Amino acid sequence: QLVLTQSPSASASLGASVKLTCTLSSEHSTNAIAWHHQQPEKGPRFLMKINSDGSHFRGDGIPDRFSGSSSGAERYLTISSVQSEDEADYYCQTWGSGIDVFGGGTKLTVL
Amino acid sequence: EVQLVESGGIVVQPGGSLRLSCAASGFTFHNYAMNWVRQGPGKGLEWVSLISWDGAFSYYADSVKGRFTISRDNSKNSLYLQMSSLRDDDTGFYYCAKGVSSGPIGHFDSWGQGTLVTVSS
Repeated sequence: QLVLTQSPSASASLGASVKLTCTLSSEHSTNAIAWHHQQPEKGPRFLMKINSDGSHFRGDGIPDRFSGSSSGAERYLTISSVQSEDEADYYCQTWGSGIDVFGGGTKLTVL
Repeated sequence: EVQLVESGGIVVQPGGSLRLSCAASGFTFHNYAMNWVRQGPGKGLEWVSLISWDGAFSYYADSVKGRFTISRDNSKNSLYLQMSSLRDDDTGFYYCAKGVSSGPIGHFDSWGQGTLVTVSS
């Protein structure tokens, strides 16, 4: 079964860095994933796609403070120089066999 | 600039029906698969359905299979979701999302702002 696992919450101080993790089910450990974020009271926005080799590309207008990496079944989103507007819910997404799956989301709080 | 604008969300009674629409602009609509994703109150994102570029193939989450039907009209750059036998747990925001390929492969790279469906007696 295609499953994505995320920690429910994370926090970071203004100007610091934070790394969010998305874990694929073991039998799907080579899947690419995408990261999306959702600011309060807004629709989701695509941030980036991350491949199993760690290569990644950002969506239009996404600053290079956002970067991606990969290790085994884990896919990471690192936000450098965290800003107040980065406080949002972050979701990972993957796909296969005609279905799409989202992780449960990580709520990032900026301190 | 890609724009996706959903409409049609209302308050509907359990067991009722509803059709949502998504008007697309800013890209070549008929080249891409399209999706519906929903979000219940205080909950995360849940993929609902996907339709291929030409409407020939469609896929559904188990939670809506047999009750919801996705369709598209490429001449009108529009996506639809026909919802029937609605239940309380269908309540939430429904988002239209653009795929990056013509079929069920790849992520979503653009989203609408959503339309609210409330199932309540």
